[in-house]
Amino acid sequence: DQQVKQNSPSLSVQEGRISILNCDYTNSMFDYFLWYKKYPAEGPTFLISISSIKDKNEDGRFTVFLNKSAKHLSLHIVPSQPGDSAVYFCAASGASGTYKYIFGTGTRLKVLA
Amino acid sequence: DVKVTQSSRYLVKRTGEKVFLECVQDMDHENMFWYRQDPGLGLRLIYFSYDVKMKEKGDIPEGYSVSREKKERFSLILESASTNQTSMYLCASSRVGVYEQYFGPGTRLTVT
Repeated sequence: DQQVKQNSPSLSVQEGRISILNCDYTNSMFDYFLWYKKYPAEGPTFLISISSIKDKNEDGRFTVFLNKSAKHLSLHIVPSQPGDSAVYFCAASGASGTYKYIFGTGTRLKVLA
Repeated sequence: DVKVTQSSRYLVKRTGEKVFLECVQDMDHENMFWYRQDPGLGLRLIYFSYDVKMKEKGDIPEGYSVSREKKERFSLILESASTNQTSMYLCASSRVGVYEQYFGPGTRLTVT
């Protein structure tokens, strides 16, 4: 049973427009959520995170929104740039009282110049 | 700058071989993790460790073991490699009390 789902395997967006990546989870015990970006042949790098006590966190062009009632989070990238083309993973943590993650399956973002 | 290094970027092994994947981090992090990444499945946790000589099973520990003899080093061991263990293996580390994990570049293992 997949506790963290990214239902869109891929997304294409024009440069300068908004990219919205979505993530759904099933376990209401998760209390911390993170987004990672992964380029080919590299390890994932941390992008942005949000605690369950917040509904929004912003860092430059990146904003993460959390809707606890819907068990849904989204990552907004504005404006999108070609260098943002990568696979994005959401991760959830805290359900087991540890700092281990449950990752989603990833969404491949392609930003078209 | 946090650095997590993995001993090999690419590895080809035969079925039945014993395989060692090494991971070293230079930031004195207490926590270390091993994941595998497969298409359509994302990253799945194999094992993690909160301290030297401590280990806990992740979500898919079958066919794997780990060793943490020193704080900076976390090894993943495939006792008898099988073709279904062909995958990208990623090591990560984090500080205690902090959610953010730092990942190594990965080892792409092919078992033939």
